[in-house]
Amino acid sequence: SQTIHQWPATLVQPVGSPLSLECTVEGTSNPNLYWYRQAAGRGLQLLFYSVGIGQISSEVPQNLSASRPQDRQFILSSKKLLLSDSGFYLCAWNPPGLGPSIWYFGPGTRLTVL
Amino acid sequence: AQSVTQLDSQVPVFEEAPVELRCNYSSSVSVYLFWYVQYPNQGLQLLLKYLSGSTLVESINGFEAEFNKSQTSFHLRKPSVHISDTAEYFCAVSVYNFNKFYFGSGTKLNVKP
Repeated sequence: SQTIHQWPATLVQPVGSPLSLECTVEGTSNPNLYWYRQAAGRGLQLLFYSVGIGQISSEVPQNLSASRPQDRQFILSSKKLLLSDSGFYLCAWNPPGLGPSIWYFGPGTRLTVL
Repeated sequence: AQSVTQLDSQVPVFEEAPVELRCNYSSSVSVYLFWYVQYPNQGLQLLLKYLSGSTLVESINGFEAEFNKSQTSFHLRKPSVHISDTAEYFCAVSVYNFNKFYFGSGTKLNVKP
């Protein structure tokens, strides 16, 4: 079966510290992968998406970056966190070849920057 | 470009009353439409989706949504809400030709006894 993992589940980091959030997918090959963020009091915003290894597209300019070192691994990073990076980060994937009608979401990582 | 607008950020309603959560989208290409629900301290769950065919889609817990192409809307309705329906509801659109998924800003439904 297809499964999506995210870790850590929660994270508290000081301003200026680095960040690395990991997302891995099981049960599929060559998925389209996505990072979303839900800031407090706001909706879900698409941050990055990837259609293949090493292929990253950014939706909005920000303090974050993404990488896809392996087919089913998607990493969200920052060199120096800002207070505004606090939020709920969701990883999602979309099966290749089935069109954009099927989506799977991970459990999310709640990040608090102090 | 595609966008999703949820007109109400919060909707308070009494138990057993009807409710409508509004969603409008804009897109120059064909879209798929979704409603997701996020209960307190939980992840996103798919509530219902419109892909094609009948414009009225239903969920297992009594919600329904109707795709209206002329009004570019996909409003979510329930004739009688329960306390357990208290959650945040997100409307989303997936563009047919591109593998992207856009969410609205969410509507917090607060069902009062």
